[in-house]
Amino acid sequence: GESVGLHLPTLSVQEGDNSIINCAYSNSASDYFIWYKQESGKGPQFIIDIRSNMDKRQGQRVTVLLNKTVKHLSLQIAATQPGDSAVYFCAENIGNTGKLIFGQGTTLQVKP
Amino acid sequence: DAGITQSPRHKVTETGTPVTLRCHQTENHRYMYWYRQDPGHGLRLIHYSYGVKDTDKGEVSDGYSVSRSKTEDFLLTLESATSSQTSVYFCAISEVGTATNEKLFFGSGTQLSVL
Repeated sequence: GESVGLHLPTLSVQEGDNSIINCAYSNSASDYFIWYKQESGKGPQFIIDIRSNMDKRQGQRVTVLLNKTVKHLSLQIAATQPGDSAVYFCAENIGNTGKLIFGQGTTLQVKP
Repeated sequence: DAGITQSPRHKVTETGTPVTLRCHQTENHRYMYWYRQDPGHGLRLIHYSYGVKDTDKGEVSDGYSVSRSKTEDFLLTLESATSSQTSVYFCAISEVGTATNEKLFFGSGTQLSVL
């Protein structure tokens, strides 16, 4: 069945370094992808999205890369800050079903 | 939180009792959703609504019902709560003008414990 998975459950980075969070998806019909950030005790917060007709999209300090050939999605955070510590989810929208499938999340820990 | 208010924020109840969670939005979004979040699982869709009195089931709808009598309120009811329904429940909305299941914005969640 469809699944969205993350390569690492926990990522620990030094403050100021760049972070890369990876996500694999399995459905070639997925046409839209979203990254969310979830801090402890809060709801998921939208970070950035990308459609399948793009391979890169940039936001403020964040970049999402999409490699459809290997069904891989990544979120890059530049100059990681303590406030970036959270769980990061990717989600895929499977176009022909209208379903949004969420991954389990990667915990990002930022060391001062 | 995109104008979304969930209530209550925390609830402890006993097995077999009915429970209703409320989601209130202030921005007139057409699409509203209820998700549950559990360790080892991603967010899973329970039910969603695409308009007043228009609702449909998600992937984990058994044991849950919903109602939407006005645009701003989407209620999730557990008719007879079970321990397996202990979870964090999130309400979400879609931005006006976007298709269903795109760019969801979430509320702060309700932590429900069924003893």
